[in-house]
Amino acid sequence: AQSVAQPEDQVNVAEGNPLTVKCTYSVSGNPYLFWYVQYPNRGLQFLLKYITGDNLVKGSYGFEAEFNKSQTSFHLKKPSALVSDSALYFCAVRDMNNNAGNMLTFGGGTRLMVKP
Amino acid sequence: DAGVIQSPRHEVTEMGQEVTLRCKPISGHNSLFWYRQTMMRGLELLIYFNNNVPIDDSGMPEDRFSAKMPNASFSTLKIQPSEPRDSAVYFCASSLSRSGNTIYFGEGSWLTVV
Repeated sequence: AQSVAQPEDQVNVAEGNPLTVKCTYSVSGNPYLFWYVQYPNRGLQFLLKYITGDNLVKGSYGFEAEFNKSQTSFHLKKPSALVSDSALYFCAVRDMNNNAGNMLTFGGGTRLMVKP
Repeated sequence: DAGVIQSPRHEVTEMGQEVTLRCKPISGHNSLFWYRQTMMRGLELLIYFNNNVPIDDSGMPEDRFSAKMPNASFSTLKIQPSEPRDSAVYFCASSLSRSGNTIYFGEGSWLTVV
């Protein structure tokens, strides 16, 4: 089975400060990991993913995430937050060894609030 | 590319009526997903098609819900009869079927059943 946890319902950060949105996962094999962002009244937009290779993955809008196998984590980070980054963020996982197609398991989402 | 296209974007209907949501996946994608998003339950996978064939429908809430994919460029999600608890945002998403490929979402169909 594959699962993902986002331990924080909401993260508050001041504009210009670094931000971290946490994600931990559980898979039986090796993971594929994804981050998506959802702005109000919009669909989920792909930010970045880890498949293999460098543990530090860079994505859209200046976001990056670090894959940590020993801690089974894939935290989303940005060096300097913008008010426009305020949105709902979803982490998702796919077990490489799962033969049931390309289904992702999503976390419950973390609301990021960036205040001026 | 136009992305995943869903219609209608918004629908308000009365309890007991039939609701049909439509989806056009990204051209060339052979996996299609229907998700439901609510405040209480978050994002739930309802059904997953691969090459137009339903692979996993374990998330479909009950017999009132049905989904079809008659060809590679079109899918429907039908609710009959609709109930107020079906009020949610329904997302369609598509990808190439190989594991690890990015899943792309449509803008959603916002359903309100009164």
